[in-house]
Amino acid sequence: DAKTTQPPSMDCAEGRAANLPCNHSTISGNEYVYWYRQIHSQGPQYIIHGLKNNETNEMASLIITEDRKSSTLILPHATLRDTAVYYCIVRTNNNDMRFGAGTRLTVKP
Amino acid sequence: DAGVIQSPRHEVTEMGQEVTLRCKPISGHDYLFWYRQTMMRGLELLIYFNNNVPIDDSGMPEDRFSAKMPNASFSTLKIQPSEPRDSAVYFCASSLARGRLSFGPGTRLLVL
Repeated sequence: DAKTTQPPSMDCAEGRAANLPCNHSTISGNEYVYWYRQIHSQGPQYIIHGLKNNETNEMASLIITEDRKSSTLILPHATLRDTAVYYCIVRTNNNDMRFGAGTRLTVKP
Repeated sequence: DAGVIQSPRHEVTEMGQEVTLRCKPISGHDYLFWYRQTMMRGLELLIYFNNNVPIDDSGMPEDRFSAKMPNASFSTLKIQPSEPRDSAVYFCASSLARGRLSFGPGTRLLVL
């Protein structure tokens, strides 16, 4: 079973920041948090990952709480093309990568 | 880099037939994952390999499913006999060490 919980759906206005939360209260010390997204029925696409510190790349920012029990994916300026299902995953020490139900983000004009 | 390659992209078969799905991971990647996606169950991890050795097959639904990785550049997922409830999109993904997963385009399987 997935080690994360996410809201099933969220809406965001185009051009605004989209903040997607994820709870992973049972995460272990050296397990990483990964975020992927899936557009329509394509294969999931990697977005970002982190361990303890906040991370930023060209797609998004990842904010991880100090106790590491939760994180937030931030899309700074959402576009219509960011409409997708977003998955938060905890990668275990033996590289187990199990997806939960994810959050369906709808970006509205 | 060609990315993860899966074949066939679409498969329609009749109940009871054997189905073989194929995957070529990205060259140099040492982990390979098989996932199944349905509306009801979402994206399920079936099995994954490290250096061609199965690490965890607890997600394989039943004995009708089997997966092999005879070498670093090829893996198969076989369903025998197939049933209508096996209809799904099957994804293969690979990674280098414990890095990010790269997914293939998927195989859309319909069992009539």
